[in-house]
Amino acid sequence: QVQLQESGPGLVKPSETLSLTCTVSSGSVSSSNYYWSWIRQPPGQGLEWIGYIYYSGSTNSSPSLKSRVTISIDTSRNKFSLNLRSVTAADTAVYYCARGVAVAGVHFDSWGQGTLVTVSS
Amino acid sequence: DIQMTQSPSSLSASIGDRVTITCRSSQSIDTYLNWYRQKPGKAPEFLIYAASTLQSGVPSRFSGSGSGTDFTLTITSLQPEDFATYFCQQSYTTLWTFGQGTKVEVK
Repeated sequence: QVQLQESGPGLVKPSETLSLTCTVSSGSVSSSNYYWSWIRQPPGQGLEWIGYIYYSGSTNSSPSLKSRVTISIDTSRNKFSLNLRSVTAADTAVYYCARGVAVAGVHFDSWGQGTLVTVSS
Repeated sequence: DIQMTQSPSSLSASIGDRVTITCRSSQSIDTYLNWYRQKPGKAPEFLIYAASTLQSGVPSRFSGSGSGTDFTLTITSLQPEDFATYFCQQSYTTLWTFGQGTKVEVK
């Protein structure tokens, strides 16, 4: 059973860059048919898909965040990462990494536990 | 973007009740619709894909139906662990979107 674990700072100052890493165990980020994804959830609100990186390195992200998002993959360390630039208080959320599986569409079958990132000075 | 709208936003139910949650998309998504359950303070759990196919290990009291723009998640005989928030998610396009969630509370 694949496991995912987010790591990174819990507090980021406004206008700075939010950086998170997802470590994958009992599975490989180099496997085909998986979309390694970031999803966030502001306190008390719903889920927002941020973006994904495919094992090949191709990426895609939500149009509302696209200009600020970079997602990268490190196959040698079995990790993938999120950078979100120029953050504001609206970016305060629990950030999840998840594995998207391409079977009859794409669904997220495995999730990290989530990490709360607060944007505040 | 394809917008996903769930109804109701919340509902109250008792153990053993039958519960139905609806998810509507802003355009046809065929059956590219998934369902998740999120218990308080936890990450979402994957339940159903392709509108009606249960993930392995998911109890048979969960079922999904629908195609096009209208979808339903049904829980027959609600259990204590089912008091949670449920989300739908479309993957018809590669710009994936979630519904706003439906919270199932104790009556």
